[in-house]
Amino acid sequence: AAGVIQSPRHLIKEKRETATLKCYPIPRHDTVYWYQQGPGQDPQFLISFYEKMQSDKGSIPDRFSAQQFSDYHSELNMSSLELGDSALYFCASRGQGETQYFGPGTRLLVL
Amino acid sequence: RKEVEQDPGPFNVPEGATVAFNCTYSNSASQSFFWYRQDCRKEPKLLMSVYSSGNEDGRFTAQLNRASQYISLLIRDSKLSDSATYLCVVEDAGNMLTFGGGTRLMVKP
Repeated sequence: AAGVIQSPRHLIKEKRETATLKCYPIPRHDTVYWYQQGPGQDPQFLISFYEKMQSDKGSIPDRFSAQQFSDYHSELNMSSLELGDSALYFCASRGQGETQYFGPGTRLLVL
Repeated sequence: RKEVEQDPGPFNVPEGATVAFNCTYSNSASQSFFWYRQDCRKEPKLLMSVYSSGNEDGRFTAQLNRASQYISLLIRDSKLSDSATYLCVVEDAGNMLTFGGGTRLMVKP
């Protein structure tokens, strides 16, 4: 079965640079969620989109923004990167009446 | 205090052992409950949903006590491949997931 696709899988950036993470949900899933997981921590919700509109906002820094496009893929844009932004970033998608399924994640390292 | 609390472990058990994990949640309005499994540096994967009537999937049994706001997971006949972090997850009416800190299980030969 098709799963959530995330790209890139690994990303190395320097402080103050920008990064864009992409997420392609499971086909026919209309909701996308972004999570950040720091070392030794549980996933923290950042933001979600339903039918291309922002539906909920969690602990997403103002330096980050995201959107969902007409094909339902989503992008997380991160600017002015800080060392503390180094983490695993997961995207999850959900269809009607289902739970969330997670993508493999993007590992971001900020140097 | 976290909304979803778990004993972080690690639980070190021999192969074949039975091990139980517990979890408590603070939001009485929570709607749905799950156990996810997460291997090192991998994504969380849904292990099973948890129902008040209790549910079983092979060697795994999950139980929910809404009155006590308590969730449990029992693993029987542990395998080496069961070694992972088990995340207790609670979903609210808006389909938002809240994760516990995870319980680490290490099954030894």
